[in-house]
Amino acid sequence: RKEVEQDPGPFNVPEGATVAFNCTYSNSASQSFFWYRQDCRKEPKLLMSVYSSGNEDGRFTAQLNRASQYISLLIRDSKLSDSATYLCVVSQRGGTYKYIFGTGTRLKVLA
Amino acid sequence: ETGVTQSPTHLIKTRGQQVTLRCSSQSGHNTVSWYQQALGQGPQFIFQYYREEENGRGNFPPRFSGLQFPNYSSELNVNALELDDSALYLCASSLDQGARYFGPGTRLTVT
Repeated sequence: RKEVEQDPGPFNVPEGATVAFNCTYSNSASQSFFWYRQDCRKEPKLLMSVYSSGNEDGRFTAQLNRASQYISLLIRDSKLSDSATYLCVVSQRGGTYKYIFGTGTRLKVLA
Repeated sequence: ETGVTQSPTHLIKTRGQQVTLRCSSQSGHNTVSWYQQALGQGPQFIFQYYREEENGRGNFPPRFSGLQFPNYSSELNVNALELDDSALYLCASSLDQGARYFGPGTRLTVT
């Protein structure tokens, strides 16, 4: 089983739609959680950190469920410019430190 | 822009050769981590340096090694290159274990 799993998609949604992505992680000792956005052939860019109480940044809402070991990202009122791959990241600190990416979920917002 | 720079942008090497990639971290950041991203995959964590010492490592063989310098810039060295080492190599900097900010990457092709 992969340490961090995401549905690869693609998710094709019309402009204005609401779309949600989930990401599951296997290590219950995971400490910090993030969502990144990556455009084709570009570097990942930090979208938002994910806090235990959930957090919102404009049209984006992130949630963490430690009991079920998943994080989610909700995008409201999708824009064409939201088309990208969304990567979830889990950090772990045991004997050594690890920062683990999921494989990413592709989103295409259609006009 | 994140302020993280990488060089070179592109590189072509032959199987068996050695390569050194460079990264300058964002001002004020003391931690640098390196990732390998194959086409269609999420970034894979190679290792992390904090204050010039390696303090985290993913599942990569010892022929992947690195350094961090007193100014927090970093190098990734790969010996005995294999065809499967062809990928985008990403460097990210952070303050301690905070969110990572990525450079534009070095695209390595091994022939």
